[in-house]
Amino acid sequence: DQQVKQNSPSLSVQEGRISILNCDYTNSMFDYFLWYKKYPAEGPTFLISISSIKDKNEDGRFTVFLNKSAKHLSLHIVPSQPGDSAVYFCADAGGTSYGKLTFGQGTILTVHP
Amino acid sequence: DAGVTQSPTHLIKTRGQQVTLRCSPKSGHDTVSWYQQALGQGPQFIFQYYEEEERQRGNFPDRFSGHQFPNYSSELNVNALLLGDSALYLCASSLILLSYSGANVLTFGAGSRLTVL
Repeated sequence: DQQVKQNSPSLSVQEGRISILNCDYTNSMFDYFLWYKKYPAEGPTFLISISSIKDKNEDGRFTVFLNKSAKHLSLHIVPSQPGDSAVYFCADAGGTSYGKLTFGQGTILTVHP
Repeated sequence: DAGVTQSPTHLIKTRGQQVTLRCSPKSGHDTVSWYQQALGQGPQFIFQYYEEEERQRGNFPDRFSGHQFPNYSSELNVNALLLGDSALYLCASSLILLSYSGANVLTFGAGSRLTVL
């Protein structure tokens, strides 16, 4: 089974600086990776995704990088804003089970003004 | 657009009881998935319903069952509740065609917080 791990439970960043959130996975199938953001008392909301045939995908302040040899992906937020403070989950959409997402444990991002 | 709506928001049950959680998908969506999120963990896939049938299932016991209705809404039932079933239960909806594109963007509801005493 695919495993997705976010080894940093929390990250604290100053407003305007870069936030880097990391995620590791185990299987090397053709996969789609997604990042979700969750505020308290709300459901996770989709942020950005990347196909495993790409190395980078960018959307405004958010960029996701995929290092297939290291089985590692990262989400960069530049510049970070206090409204970005939330829990961030990386998720794998799977090579054969597109209906199922496998989530990491999440990283709590706090952006200080 | 109301998005995904779930009810109830919070509920408290005792061990051995049964619970039913409800979900209305986002307008236009035809697929409903259920996830369990324990405290400090990421959401874990329970099962997915499409065309009123369970299409995929995660590693959850048979105590967890579900149903999808013709209007695409869904219920999650948990029997013989255990303390370990205490969690946030998230419903997510999507369009089956997008599921096969790989960009499986789910729209989540705010969840039902279940506490088992």
